[in-house]
Amino acid sequence: GENVEQHPSTLSVQEGDSAVIKCTYSDSASNYFPWYKQELGKRPQLIIDIRSNVGEKKDQRIAVTLNKTAKHFSLHITETQPEDSAVYFCAASTRGSQGNLIFGKGTKLSVKP
Amino acid sequence: DGGITQSPKYLFRKEGQNVTLSCEQNLNHDAMYWYRQDPGQGLRLIYYSQIVNDFQKGDIAEGYSVSREKKESFPLTVTSAQKNPTAFYLCASSPPGTLYGYTFGSGTRLTVV
Repeated sequence: GENVEQHPSTLSVQEGDSAVIKCTYSDSASNYFPWYKQELGKRPQLIIDIRSNVGEKKDQRIAVTLNKTAKHFSLHITETQPEDSAVYFCAASTRGSQGNLIFGKGTKLSVKP
Repeated sequence: DGGITQSPKYLFRKEGQNVTLSCEQNLNHDAMYWYRQDPGQGLRLIYYSQIVNDFQKGDIAEGYSVSREKKESFPLTVTSAQKNPTAFYLCASSPPGTLYGYTFGSGTRLTVV
C-alpha cells in the first residue's frame, strides 16, 4: 500500500526566512496531494493541495511542488511569520485505498521572532 | 466548524466504561473517517466509511466500534477493550473519489480518570 514519508520532523526558522518541508510517496498511482496545518489543540486545516497533472501551485506565501518521476512533493513557505508556527502534515490519495488519504507523520514548524 | 461537528469537546472515561463520540456533518459528504492523535504524534486511522451502512477498519481499530446508519452521522464508541484510550480524536469527511481533501471536525479530547 501507499506510504508517505515526511521530513524534517521539526524545523526552526527565523521570522522572514523561508521554510521547506518535503514528502515522498510510494504509490505511483497517487493523484492528489494536500497539505494541512494544525495549530496546538485544534483541527487540521487544508492550506493548499495539488493534483498530479500540475507541477506547482502557489497561494500567496505558500507553494507546493510535485515531482511525479521522483515521487516527492514539497511545501514552501516564504517570509515566515510567527503565526505560521504549527504542525504541518502532507498526505497522498491513492485509488488503492478507496480514496483514503495517507498522512505523513508531521513537521513541527517554529518561527522565531 | 466548517459543517462538521464533534461532541463533546472534552470527555472523561472511567476504567471499564464504554463512551461514544459524536460526529455529524451537513456537507453532504459520502465518506467519513475517525482518526486518533496522541501528543506530538501523527494521525492514525481508526475506521472509515465510504457509504451508509458500510464501514472498514483502519490501522488501529481494536477496542473501537462505529456505525453509519445515516449519511450525516458517524459515531465512534471507545469500548472497555481499548486499554489506552486517552487521546485526541478527530472526525473527518470528504466527497467521494480520490481528488478531494478532508474537512476535519474540531476534535474530542478523551481522558481516562
